[in-house]
Amino acid sequence: NAGVMQNPRHLVRRRGQEARLRCSPMKGHSHVYWYRQLPEEGLKFMVYLQKENIIDESGMPKERFSAEFPKEGPSILRIQQVVRGDSAAYFCASSPLSGTGVPNEQYFGPGTRLTVT
Amino acid sequence: AQSVAQPEDQVNVAEGNPLTVKCTYSVSGNPYLFWYVQYPNRGLQFLLKYITGDNLVKGSYGFEAEFNKSQTSFHLKKPSALVSDSALYFCAVRDRAGGGNKLTFGTGTQLKVEL
Repeated sequence: NAGVMQNPRHLVRRRGQEARLRCSPMKGHSHVYWYRQLPEEGLKFMVYLQKENIIDESGMPKERFSAEFPKEGPSILRIQQVVRGDSAAYFCASSPLSGTGVPNEQYFGPGTRLTVT
Repeated sequence: AQSVAQPEDQVNVAEGNPLTVKCTYSVSGNPYLFWYVQYPNRGLQFLLKYITGDNLVKGSYGFEAEFNKSQTSFHLKKPSALVSDSALYFCAVRDRAGGGNKLTFGTGTQLKVEL
């Protein structure tokens, strides 16, 4: 059973370009989360999605950032007009649906390291 | 709002000695608590979680954690450290009430186990 897959692992963009980060959840998982890790900091929640729905985007910057999890295909985190401050590691996590309301642990991908030059 | 504090940036311990990595939390209700480990240039790996029940939780690789409600703590422990345990450890919390599904992470504690 493959784990959470993210690509690319490393992404270099010039200021003003667009960055598209992809995440394929574990098989059978219907919940996807995106987190950002800045150097020397912990992970900060960005967005939580289920298929075709954004459930919680309270951690997403108001501008330039968007996320989707379509019916078919991977989840995409899109950053438009990147700036140097967007340089970070972006981690995707997935979890299965919990029928009891008790949370299942989130399984993390290896991350995409975005460098903006 | 929910928050997590890991008061130590780094913990050094000799191989074979017991280790403790500290974590305290703040939530409005009752917490779900998690520990994750991160090796260099890798994603986070789940170690253990506290949901309810026994305050002592056992997890992967010989790690355990003790939930203490009165002290709002969830310290990670291992009776005998290995050099291979050297990594970055994150504590995370989710509020049972109104926290949604998002995890709030601490800033991490770098564990260094030396021979």
